[in-house]
Amino acid sequence: GENVEQHPSTLSVQEGDSAVIKCTYSDSASNYFPWYKQELGKRPQLIIDIRSNVGEKKDQRIAVTLNKTAKHFSLHITETQPEDSAVYFCAASNKLTGGGNKLTFGTGTQLKVEL
Amino acid sequence: NAGVTQTPKFQVLKTGQSMTLQCAQDMNHEYMSWYRQDPGMGLRLIHYSVGAGITDQGEVPNGYNVSRSTTEDFPLRLLSAAPSQTSVYFCASSRFTGELFFGEGSRLTVL
Repeated sequence: GENVEQHPSTLSVQEGDSAVIKCTYSDSASNYFPWYKQELGKRPQLIIDIRSNVGEKKDQRIAVTLNKTAKHFSLHITETQPEDSAVYFCAASNKLTGGGNKLTFGTGTQLKVEL
Repeated sequence: NAGVTQTPKFQVLKTGQSMTLQCAQDMNHEYMSWYRQDPGMGLRLIHYSVGAGITDQGEVPNGYNVSRSTTEDFPLRLLSAAPSQTSVYFCASSRFTGELFFGEGSRLTVL
């Protein structure tokens, strides 16, 4: 099955700096890569996703890049703000195998944005 | 729309007891799933369903049963609770290829 590794496990940045979280996946057939944000005590919520036919996607201060050859993808947050402090999860799935939306998650990155 | 609703939010069980975590969605989503979240281990898939009457195992299915008799409901049953099942459980639903929406979570402690 798919295996997703995520680094770092914790990340501390100063407000206004950029943050980068990296993930690698093992199944070359994976074709969908979402990122979820989970604030303390809350449910995970989708913040951005990318499909395997796209190399980069941006949404305001967040962007995701995908390198299919190396099987890794990254989340970039620019101009970080205190409200960006949360746990971020990457995930991967193959949407063509008939298994629906069966996501395999990374182990999460605790991002802390310090004033 | 209420989205994905899970009950109960908190539960304490003794080893060997059984219980059911309820999950309901009102978005007419085909796909539903259960994850457990443990510190340092991310979200791990327990069981999932691609439609009423169809269920399948995920990464960590042992000790859990599911059924999907309707599109809306996807209960998770713990047959004989063990301390290793202490965790936060999330139910999620989506269109077949869309965003996965999570419930608020159910925190289970097994003594």
